[in-house]
Amino acid sequence: DQQVKQNSPSLSVQEGRISILNCDYTNSMFDYFLWYKKYPAEGPTFLISISSIKDKNEDGRFTVFLNKSAKHLSLHIVPSQPGDSAVYFCAASGNSGYALNFGKGTSLLVTP
Amino acid sequence: EAGVTQFPSHSVIEKGQTVTLRCDPISGHDNLYWYRRVMGKEIKFLLHFVKESKQDESGMPNNRFLAERTGGTYSTLKVQPAELEDSGVYFCASSATGNTEAFFGQGTRLTVV
Repeated sequence: DQQVKQNSPSLSVQEGRISILNCDYTNSMFDYFLWYKKYPAEGPTFLISISSIKDKNEDGRFTVFLNKSAKHLSLHIVPSQPGDSAVYFCAASGNSGYALNFGKGTSLLVTP
Repeated sequence: EAGVTQFPSHSVIEKGQTVTLRCDPISGHDNLYWYRRVMGKEIKFLLHFVKESKQDESGMPNNRFLAERTGGTYSTLKVQPAELEDSGVYFCASSATGNTEAFFGQGTRLTVV
């Protein structure tokens, strides 16, 4: 039973525009959320994270928003660049453990 | 600083054979994890070491999988005997004490034929 869901398998955005990637979770015990970026033939690369005590975390062009009541988080990339084209994974952990529960990923394509 | 390294990058074996995957974590990282991604599915947690001890092995699919981390440095994941459904990409990751942000290796693509 998948506890982290990314319902959009793919997303295409024009360069310079905002990319919004969404993620939903079902386990209310999750208290830490992460986004990873993955290029083909490489491992996931950590991008940004947020604790459940916050509702927003920003790092440069990347911002993660957390809505605990809706069990929803989103990653905003602005402005989007062609080099951002990759698969983005949402992950969550909780219950005082470090094991990450991943979504299936969203493939982002940023077109020039 | 070297990242997480995994060996081999690819492995093709026949059903019933044994394969051993190796992971070298980032130096000084006490936490080491194994994950697996079967084609078309999400990346799934297999197990978590803290130094040489298994902290959580709830994701290990069955007793054909054996993970070790002798001395608390590198780790091996052995599959014996391999089955067709074991095919996938096996990722290793490591993190520092108290950190949830894990750094991943490039993965080992295992194909069982």
